[in-house]
Amino acid sequence: DAGVIQSPRHEVTEMGQEVTLRCKPISGHDYLFWYRQTMMRGLELLIYFNNNVPIDDSGMPEDRFSAKMPNASFSTLKIQPSEPRDSAVYFCASSRSTGNTIYFGEGSWLTVV
Amino acid sequence: GDSVTQMEGPVTLSEEAFLTINCTYTATGYPSLFWYVQYPGEGLQLLLKATKADDKGSNKGFEATYRKETTSFHLEKGSVQVSDSAVYFCARDGGSQGNLIFGKGTKLSVKP
Repeated sequence: DAGVIQSPRHEVTEMGQEVTLRCKPISGHDYLFWYRQTMMRGLELLIYFNNNVPIDDSGMPEDRFSAKMPNASFSTLKIQPSEPRDSAVYFCASSRSTGNTIYFGEGSWLTVV
Repeated sequence: GDSVTQMEGPVTLSEEAFLTINCTYTATGYPSLFWYVQYPGEGLQLLLKATKADDKGSNKGFEATYRKETTSFHLEKGSVQVSDSAVYFCARDGGSQGNLIFGKGTKLSVKP
């Protein structure tokens, strides 16, 4: 089975530009998570969805960040406008249900210059 | 609030040394517990898990036992290899919230 698929794997963009990260969860998984990882702050949960509905977005840093899940097989995380401090690895992950293993994608490595 | 605390790294060991990475958790009830591993440049992968008290999770020579008395889930390996160099994350499930609560991660470096 295919795992969680993220794109792009690497992106370098200029400050002020819009960034869109994409994720395809594992088929049949009801939960989808967006995490951010940096050296300074470690692994942070930004937002997660259950059955395409956002459940907890308290980790979203500010209004520049938004996430959508229009259907069960696709989600986006958008940063507009991007800033250098947004440079990080963004992971998408999915799981079948509460308490089950969460499966991570390989991450999108974002650099904002 | 509910949390996961794991020993701070980095941990540096010689090949074939014994490894312990401590992890404790706080929770109401008995959450499922997990260890994830992140190799350089990759995402997190499940290493092992335990779903109830006294369960032992094991994989690739790593073991961890769910200890409800001490609310701990320490990771151990009897003989580490250079290829075990990675960051290890302890986690517990978030209950009805559906997410996982992660510790801050412990970086392990194994020298030949």
